[in-house]
Amino acid sequence: QKEVEQDPGPLSVPEGAIVSLNCTYSNSAFQYFMWYRQYSRKGPELLMYTYSSGNKEDGRFTAQVDKSSKYISLFIRDSQPSDSATYLCAMSLYSGGGADGLTFGKGTHLIIQP
Amino acid sequence: DSGVTQTPKHLITATGQRVTLRCSPRSGDLSVYWYQQSLDQGLQFLIQYYNGEERAKGNILERFSAQQFPDLHSELNLSSLELGDSALYFCASSAPPVTSGTDEQFFGPGTRLTVL
Repeated sequence: QKEVEQDPGPLSVPEGAIVSLNCTYSNSAFQYFMWYRQYSRKGPELLMYTYSSGNKEDGRFTAQVDKSSKYISLFIRDSQPSDSATYLCAMSLYSGGGADGLTFGKGTHLIIQP
Repeated sequence: DSGVTQTPKHLITATGQRVTLRCSPRSGDLSVYWYQQSLDQGLQFLIQYYNGEERAKGNILERFSAQQFPDLHSELNLSSLELGDSALYFCASSAPPVTSGTDEQFFGPGTRLTVL
């Protein structure tokens, strides 16, 4: 079983729809959760960073963490064609400068149809 | 633009060769991370340096090594290259938590390595 599971898609939705992207993880020691967006042939771009169960909102994006279920989600409201990209969930054990690399899901390829 | 720079953008080489990838972190960031992204494995953590010292190791092969210099730039050395080493290699950097409050990692544009 992989540490982080993420449906690779592709997920295709019409413009304006609400998009739901999800990851599950097996290591209950993960404390910090991130969502990155990656356009083709570009570096990942940090969208959301959370460290507690619950919701965090930033503009059209909402990140949700449920540590008891080991499940995280990213919701995109009023989706735009420019949101078409691969979305990667990531998580880590430590913050505060602790030695840690991020553990990534494989990414979900999202297509927003105009 | 994340502020992290990587050179070269593309690298084509042959099996058995050795290459060096270079990364300059964002101004003020002390931590540098190296990741490998391939189609089958996804994005995988290789190694972290903090202010010149190795801090953590991930799935880094013995044929691979890295270092961080006094000016904080970092180099990833890949030797005895195999076809399976063809991938995107990303560098990321983060600020000391005392200054930023978190250790969010910001990624560079990557180096695409093709081994023929």
